[in-house]
Amino acid sequence: EAQVTQNPRYLITVTGKKLTVTCSQNMNHEYMSWYRQDPGLGLRQIYYSMNVEVTDKGDVPEGYKVSRKEKRNFPLILESPSPNQTSLYFCASSIDRVVPLHFGNGTRLTVT
Amino acid sequence: AQSVTQLDSQVPVFEEAPVELRCNYSSSVSVYLFWYVQYPNQGLQLLLKYLSGSTLVKGINGFEAEFNKSQTSFHLRKPSVHISDTAEYFCAVSDERNQGGKLIFGQGTELSVKP
Repeated sequence: EAQVTQNPRYLITVTGKKLTVTCSQNMNHEYMSWYRQDPGLGLRQIYYSMNVEVTDKGDVPEGYKVSRKEKRNFPLILESPSPNQTSLYFCASSIDRVVPLHFGNGTRLTVT
Repeated sequence: AQSVTQLDSQVPVFEEAPVELRCNYSSSVSVYLFWYVQYPNQGLQLLLKYLSGSTLVKGINGFEAEFNKSQTSFHLRKPSVHISDTAEYFCAVSDERNQGGKLIFGQGTELSVKP
């Protein structure tokens, strides 16, 4: 089954404690992205990757890092989380830049 | 810059009634348009897309949308809704300059179908 898998689904942490949210896709897609979803704001892109070792900033990259060492994986790293990063995060992938995105089921992060 | 405005944050409707969820966009170039649905505790699922061709687009679950270039709109419609259509709906836009599979999303519309 074609899917984008994110882990964990839920995460509660404290300010400043580094964390990683993993994302993996099994569709051999070139493009992968991270979005955050906040009430009243829709989804906003954090980072994207067009291929292995090629990443770039989206609209809200501050406080986040990503890496793309393998085609299937695209982890999101918060080096020093802050409460304003409490949000619902989605990983997505696509085969090219116009084909619709496939989304994971989301990771709900709470930073206290 | 591109932007998307969903004109209604919440739409309550009775079961079997028709519904229209409104979406307007702004872009200076040709666009690609999408509607996604998000059920509680799930990711986003594509309902339908407009890339080119016919301006009336049919999607899954009986939904359809019409691309209106002159009014820069892409409203979503369903002639008769079911309780199971209760969800949040997102309109999104991309264009030919798109880098990295980026979509610009609207704020979302919560559709609540009541018996």
